[in-house]
Amino acid sequence: GAVVSQHPSRVICKSGTSVKIECRSLDFQATTMFWYRQFPKKSLMLMATSNEGSKATYEQGVEKDKFLINHASLTLSTLTVTSAHPEDSSFYICSATLGQEGGKLFFGSGTQLSVL
Amino acid sequence: LAKTTQPISMDSYEGQEVNITCSHNNIATNDYITWYQQFPSQGPRFIIQGYKTKVTNEVASLFIPADRKSSTLSLPRVSLSDTAVYYCLVGGGYGQNFVFGPGTRLSVLP
Repeated sequence: GAVVSQHPSRVICKSGTSVKIECRSLDFQATTMFWYRQFPKKSLMLMATSNEGSKATYEQGVEKDKFLINHASLTLSTLTVTSAHPEDSSFYICSATLGQEGGKLFFGSGTQLSVL
Repeated sequence: LAKTTQPISMDSYEGQEVNITCSHNNIATNDYITWYQQFPSQGPRFIIQGYKTKVTNEVASLFIPADRKSSTLSLPRVSLSDTAVYYCLVGGGYGQNFVFGPGTRLSVLP
């Protein structure tokens, strides 16, 4: 149980285009979802926290107009990288929690974004 | 949020027991300690979680002393496939963010 599906796994796009990444909890309702960014050989960097039906909370230094997060239902959150540029190239990972005590996280498989 | 400190890297050989210690001096009363494993180009995977004393599952053990200011992940008889980055995360509860530390890069050698 507790499977998180993330799509696409890899995307290559031209500079200036927008890219949407989907994160779905397949067999549970995710109260809270998190979006992370990871550079090669670096740790995960938390970008934002989203709760269903409310605006996402962004970490300091993360541009909310650049990284649009929508959490329209308890099973779906999307991250849209708007007007992508080469410096946005990175590995993006979503995760979800059941909201239970302890806060165990379930992760998607990640999306490798390459902006040309 | 409790800050965590782990060794940056560790080497081991197949068949050995590996212990990775995480320091979290300012852990809060309602914080849990959770360990995740991450392979390259994949999302992290939950390994084990504990609050105090010792927890054991089919893949690892987690030792937590009484003061809870540190924890040790123990991997029995590692294999090459255990080569990964291991993250210690302290937090939990409702509505809290989950910020990862740098993790420990474990290399298992033949």
